[in-house]
Amino acid sequence: SYELTQPLSVSVALGQTARITCGGNNIGSKNVHWYQQKPGQAPVLVIYRDSNRPSGIPERFSGSNSGNTATLTISRAQAGDEADYYCQVWDSSTLFGGGTKLTVL
Amino acid sequence: QVQLVQSGAEVKKPGASVKVSCKASGYTFTSYGISWVRQAPGQGLEWMGWISAYNGNTNYAQKLQGRVTMTTDTSTSTAYMELRSLRSDDTAVYYCASGPGVGATYVAYYWGQGTLVTVSS
Repeated sequence: SYELTQPLSVSVALGQTARITCGGNNIGSKNVHWYQQKPGQAPVLVIYRDSNRPSGIPERFSGSNSGNTATLTISRAQAGDEADYYCQVWDSSTLFGGGTKLTVL
Repeated sequence: QVQLVQSGAEVKKPGASVKVSCKASGYTFTSYGISWVRQAPGQGLEWMGWISAYNGNTNYAQKLQGRVTMTTDTSTSTAYMELRSLRSDDTAVYYCASGPGVGATYVAYYWGQGTLVTVSS
């Protein structure tokens, strides 16, 4: 069965760039979506189909997908970006990565 | 604006069933599919399945096959998720999410607020 691998945690200094990866076999051939989830809240879609931002999501959020790694990039990180981030793909069923906790220092 | 409003928290005994509702507004209900995702305490997201609000087609997670049923009522723009033979490890927050596409093209654009289901004797 297909598996997605995310780092458990990523730290970034305030105002710097955070990169959260999502690894999977030939993930570059799949659509990857990213969700942000803050404590006690429902997930929010931040990137869909690799690199598209829904309306209302800041341009600081971007995505890329190639080979065996998809990446969510958060530029000029803010304290409000602290959250868990999940990648998601479709492989006969919907799969989520295990999630990455982003800490802004 | 699009809103998904879910039913309230439930406490159930092991072996019982629970039915969670998700009422949609702000878009044409039959234009989007609805997926259900759950999250056990302190854990990640787990996809449970998807239903087309257009024709009722479903796709369930293999591990829940036989225990879960997803339905929609287009007259009230409401989706339902019923889980039977509840166990303690079914304790979780259950989310509905809607969006366009099917299968590989589906995107969970909009999410409900979540419904806590607690299974305890």
